[in-house]
Amino acid sequence: QQPVQSPQAVILREGEDAVINCSSSKALYSVHWYRQKHGEAPVFLMILLKGGEQKGHEKISASFNEKKQQSSLYLTASQLSYSGTYFCGTEKASNTGKLIFGQGTTLQVKP
Amino acid sequence: EAEVAQSPRYKITEKSQAVAFWCDPISGHATLYWYRQILGQGPELLVQFQDESVVDDSQLPKDRFSAERLKGVDSTLKIQPAELGDSAMYLCASSSMGYRELVDTQYFGPGTRLTVL
Repeated sequence: QQPVQSPQAVILREGEDAVINCSSSKALYSVHWYRQKHGEAPVFLMILLKGGEQKGHEKISASFNEKKQQSSLYLTASQLSYSGTYFCGTEKASNTGKLIFGQGTTLQVKP
Repeated sequence: EAEVAQSPRYKITEKSQAVAFWCDPISGHATLYWYRQILGQGPELLVQFQDESVVDDSQLPKDRFSAERLKGVDSTLKIQPAELGDSAMYLCASSSMGYRELVDTQYFGPGTRLTVL
């Protein structure tokens, strides 16, 4: 039931773009994205509800393809502050608040 | 900005000892979650409270773990006895949306790093 994230790790130069994918084998109600820096708490980025909507947060946006049960996180013109591990948390097709997190994607942005 | 508080931040204990972690959610948040995060993995839900009631504790190892939220505000997670495999980060999260609301945004505390020797 754990969603699968890809890639596992990515290294970028400042200003480059990246896409992180989160796929589930189960029908989803929502997908939640978090970023966690080493030794710190996960920080909320955004929520996608089923319906294929796309959301944006500064230069970070995300989409949710309900048919494929897949969400993608887009990081545009990456900054050093974007470095960290990105987790998607998936919620099944009913609003329970219970999230199942993927294994994470580690992003490193270099100068 | 309101934050979820947790203490202690770090705990080192020997196996077979008892440990307890405390969490104070953002004021007014009715839902509280305890997660365990093993190094290199995503958080795993242990228990979910709605006010003082347990909503989901299906992943909580009940032979050694217990959690309570007596007055529906702060919460305590206990492990007794601790085992080597319990070494992990224990995260608390809270949300303001009531049960059965449209969507539930969870905000995490800084966590307690537990090391069992």
